[in-house]
Amino acid sequence: EPEVTQTPSHQVTQMGQEVILRCVPISNHLYFYWYRQILGQKVEFLVSFYNNEISEKSEIFDDQFSVERPDGSNFTLKIRSTKLEDSAMYFCASSSERASNEQFFGPGTRLTVL
Amino acid sequence: GNSVTQMEGPVTLSEEAFLTINCTYTATGYPSLFWYVQYPGEGLQLLLKATKADDKGSNKGFEATYRKETTSFHLEKGSVQVSDSAVYFCALRGGGSSYKLIFGSGTRLLVRP
Repeated sequence: EPEVTQTPSHQVTQMGQEVILRCVPISNHLYFYWYRQILGQKVEFLVSFYNNEISEKSEIFDDQFSVERPDGSNFTLKIRSTKLEDSAMYFCASSSERASNEQFFGPGTRLTVL
Repeated sequence: GNSVTQMEGPVTLSEEAFLTINCTYTATGYPSLFWYVQYPGEGLQLLLKATKADDKGSNKGFEATYRKETTSFHLEKGSVQVSDSAVYFCALRGGGSSYKLIFGSGTRLLVRP
């Protein structure tokens, strides 16, 4: 069964460093999403991406964040200068068409900023 | 804005007990409603969904009915198993031009043998 994969499973970084979180969506999907969950808090939407551009973003997704689909299979989230408060579990999701409403989630990357 | 409120956990039940996890929502328009489940060490998996009022979503013995009059989408299962132990998230998609999911805070279910 096709699935969304994410690497690494756990990333530890120093405050101020850049990190790139990687996702491989399901191969025939066209819509891609990033969400995050700070420990003990709700899962929050960050950004959606379609046709090589951002289609929607939340207030959390400021200039420190960027997304990219560098090739036909990967979808990345970059945080330019990490802060302590960026420590969270980051989930990637993909969907085949908006009308289906179903987003398939990856297992997440736990980011720890020291 | 749109929001989802879930009952706080953890919920601890004995095997074969009846499960209810409450979920209420606030939304404009006609949202679609979802339950996701997260097993330890895994990602979020769609458990069931309902896209309009009075629809009942069901899967793996779980059910939830979209109640517009009470703005609720409570998750139920008649007889839980140890393997149902997980975190359950209620979520909505507001519709229109937005396709983001808005999640509740999650409810941890622990089923004891």
